[in-house]
Amino acid sequence: DAKTTQPPSMDCAEGRAANLPCNHSTISGNEYVYWYRQIHSQGPQYIIHGLKNNETNEMASLIITEDRKSSTLILPHATLRDTAVYYCIVRVANTGNQFYFGTGTSLTVIP
Amino acid sequence: GAVVSQHPSRVICKSGTSVKIECRSLDFQATTMFWYRQFPKQSLMLMATSNEGSKATYEQGVEKDKFLINHASLTLSTLTVTSAHPEDSSFYICSALQDPEAFFGQGTRLTVV
Repeated sequence: DAKTTQPPSMDCAEGRAANLPCNHSTISGNEYVYWYRQIHSQGPQYIIHGLKNNETNEMASLIITEDRKSSTLILPHATLRDTAVYYCIVRVANTGNQFYFGTGTSLTVIP
Repeated sequence: GAVVSQHPSRVICKSGTSVKIECRSLDFQATTMFWYRQFPKQSLMLMATSNEGSKATYEQGVEKDKFLINHASLTLSTLTVTSAHPEDSSFYICSALQDPEAFFGQGTRLTVV
């Protein structure tokens, strides 16, 4: 079952950083935070995941608070192609466990 | 990232018929695959977990006799919607697990008329 809370929608100006928050106050010590996004009528796309340290890749940065009860996905320079629904998921990694999707945040990047 | 191919991308079928959807991991072997259903403006709902060589595990409320899952090889899982009805019309998405990541197919839009 989804164990995360996200705002239903957000806007971001093109070229600016998009900061998407996620609350996961009941996260367990061995659960990772994952982010996926879904562009309309396509399958979800993996963005990033982390346990407790901040993570960065070519797509985004993931900032996890010290108590691990919340995190923020940062798209440093949002483009129109970043318009999508962004899902934050918590899951124990490397166990074959399922990915349960919550309601996500619909991000609209505005020209 | 790894590639997961789903086929067909769209299908229209008559009420009462069965439809098979294929999910293939193209460049890796997947012991575990997941099947999801998504209705318009809603999130993905996990239907079942497919494990190669064993029976699928269905989520609560999902009818296993209606949604038949076969995972006969490490690169192929199939979902058969049996005796489809209009209320089964939905977007079906598969995912192949390469832990710690899951890679998703492009989805199948099923319309039952």
